[in-house]
Formats: sequence, structure tokens, C-alpha cells
Amino acid sequence: AQSVTQLDSQVPVFEEAPVELRCNYSSSVSVYLFWYVQYPNQGLQLLLKYLSGSTLVESINGFEAEFNKSQTSFHLRKPSVHISDTAEYFCAVSEFGNEKLTFGTGTRLTIIP
Amino acid sequence: DAGVTQSPTHLIKTRGQHVTLRCSPISGHKSVSWYQQVLGQGPQFIFQYYEKEERGRGNFPDRFSARQFPNYSSELNVNALLLGDSALYLCASSFDGTHVMGGYTFGSGTRLTVV
Repeated sequence: AQSVTQLDSQVPVFEEAPVELRCNYSSSVSVYLFWYVQYPNQGLQLLLKYLSGSTLVESINGFEAEFNKSQTSFHLRKPSVHISDTAEYFCAVSEFGNEKLTFGTGTRLTIIP
Repeated sequence: DAGVTQSPTHLIKTRGQHVTLRCSPISGHKSVSWYQQVLGQGPQFIFQYYEKEERGRGNFPDRFSARQFPNYSSELNVNALLLGDSALYLCASSFDGTHVMGGYTFGSGTRLTVV
């Protein structure tokens, strides 16, 4: 069965500093990988996804994540964060042929002015 | 275009009651999935429907049921509510039930509180 581990439940970062949110997954088959963002009292928004091809994927608002198969990781990075990035970030995995998403427990990113 | 629409946005129920949550997918989307997000946790998969047929079911008791209508909207029903059913219930729609053709779009959810 697939699973996702987000080791950091909370990450405080100063504004304009870089950030990395860690995600590791476990699966016996090939997977798709996702990062979702959830702002307070809202649903989930897809930030970026890895389906195939280049292992480095980018979002339109400056985030990027790299699929590392050997380390079964899909860490999320941003070189310079803004106040507006304050939110909960969820890593998710879906196995080929099984479209259900399995989510991690989330990382709360707090930006310090 | 309207996104995924869920109703109601909030509701409060008493233990033992029944609840029905509703979801309207994005126009043209034929698949709907339901997730439960308990406070402080990641969403958990409940059901997936595609073309009105159940395609997947998560590890939830039989008190949870769902269906998809000919217009592709969906209902999630929960019987004999327990305090532990208090959560944000999220609906997600996709064109063909896969992550490839545009993937899933989530609604803002229904916040259910059981007292």
C-alpha cells in the first residue's frame, strides 16, 4: 500500500528566505506525485505534479519539486518566500492504475515578517 | 466557468442523525471523488465515481455511501453519525477519473460538526 510521510508538521521561515518542505513516499509500483496547498478555511489547490518525464517540476508561483526515485522523495522548494505563501502544504501520491490520492499529514508553513 | 461546488458549506448535526452532502463537478467532468479531512490531518479517500459507477472505495464503514447522478453531480450520505465524523468533506472532480487529462480539482468543502 502507498503511504506518504511529511516529517515537518510546522516550518517557520523569515520572509524572502528559502524554504524546503520534505516529502517521502512508499510504494511498490510506479507513482504520480503531487503537492497541494490549503489556505485557511478553503479546499485544496494543486500546486504542482509529477506524472512522467523531467524529474524537476515547477509551479507558476515560484515553487519547484524534484522527484527522486532512489530516495523516494518529492521535496518542495522555493528560493524566496512571501507572506502570501502562509498555508498548509500537503504532499500526495497516487499509484499507476489507482487514481485515489494518499495524502501526508501536512506541513504548516508560517512566514515571519 | 464555475469550479467544483459543494453544499452546504457548514452544518451541525446530532449524534445518530443522517446527513447528505452534495457536489456539482466542473462542467464536462465525469468523475467525482470524496475525501474526509479531520482537523489536523491530511484528507482520506472515501469514494470515487466515474460515469455513475463506483470505481473505488476507501477504508470507511458502511455508514458511508455515495452515488453519482446522470448529470454527474454526486451525493455523499452518512448514517448514524458519530462524533468522529466531524470533519471537512471535500469533493474533487476530473474529466475522466485520471490524473493525466487535467487531473482533479477540489471544491472548498463542507464542514460537518457532529455534537
